[in-house]
Amino acid sequence: DVKVTQSSRYLVKRTGEKVFLECVQDMDHENMFWYRQDPGLGLRLIYFSYDVKMKEKGDIPEGYSVSREKKERFSLILESASTNQTSMYLCASTGPGTGKTEAFFGQGTRLTVV
Amino acid sequence: QKEVEQDPGPLSVPEGAIVSLNCTYSNSAFQYFMWYRQYSRKGPELLMYTYSSGNKEDGRFTAQVDKSSKYISLFIRDSQPSDSATYLCAIGNQGGKLIFGQGTELSVKP
Repeated sequence: DVKVTQSSRYLVKRTGEKVFLECVQDMDHENMFWYRQDPGLGLRLIYFSYDVKMKEKGDIPEGYSVSREKKERFSLILESASTNQTSMYLCASTGPGTGKTEAFFGQGTRLTVV
Repeated sequence: QKEVEQDPGPLSVPEGAIVSLNCTYSNSAFQYFMWYRQYSRKGPELLMYTYSSGNKEDGRFTAQVDKSSKYISLFIRDSQPSDSATYLCAIGNQGGKLIFGQGTELSVKP
């Protein structure tokens, strides 16, 4: 059974805190993604990584950074959390090559910044 | 301009109705087209996948792609209450980038 695991299901943080969201996949996938999901806006791509130490900005990277030191782990970092970053965060991974773009998602982390 | 646009709905239909969900995209570099279904409090799961223009059928579901118009559709025949979910279109490119539409919330009433 394929697995994408996010470290927390629910998280409450204070404004200005540095926040780490962790994601681990056990499918040896090359590509990993971080999305945020908000009502009416759907899934918006924050960052994705196509290889270890490689990353590419998505549509809304401002206020976020990422780290991919190992193939199986992709971390999303909120440098200084703000209330407008309250959202559901979803991690996903896909395998390599043509036709391998089915994304497997984690269960999501609902982050509240107060 | 967003790379993919999807009518967010919500959409409410009676059981047995035919449902049509649609997306448009702007960049022809995206060559892979998917529909995901997301139930409440769950992550999205792949429903349909195609990379060519035309129709692809899987049971009550048909995915349609028109690359010349940059238009993708999902049709659900004989809709059931268990089809009630959010449906997200997604486009992918050779480099692995995957972009989602806003999602359409569908409710099928018994």
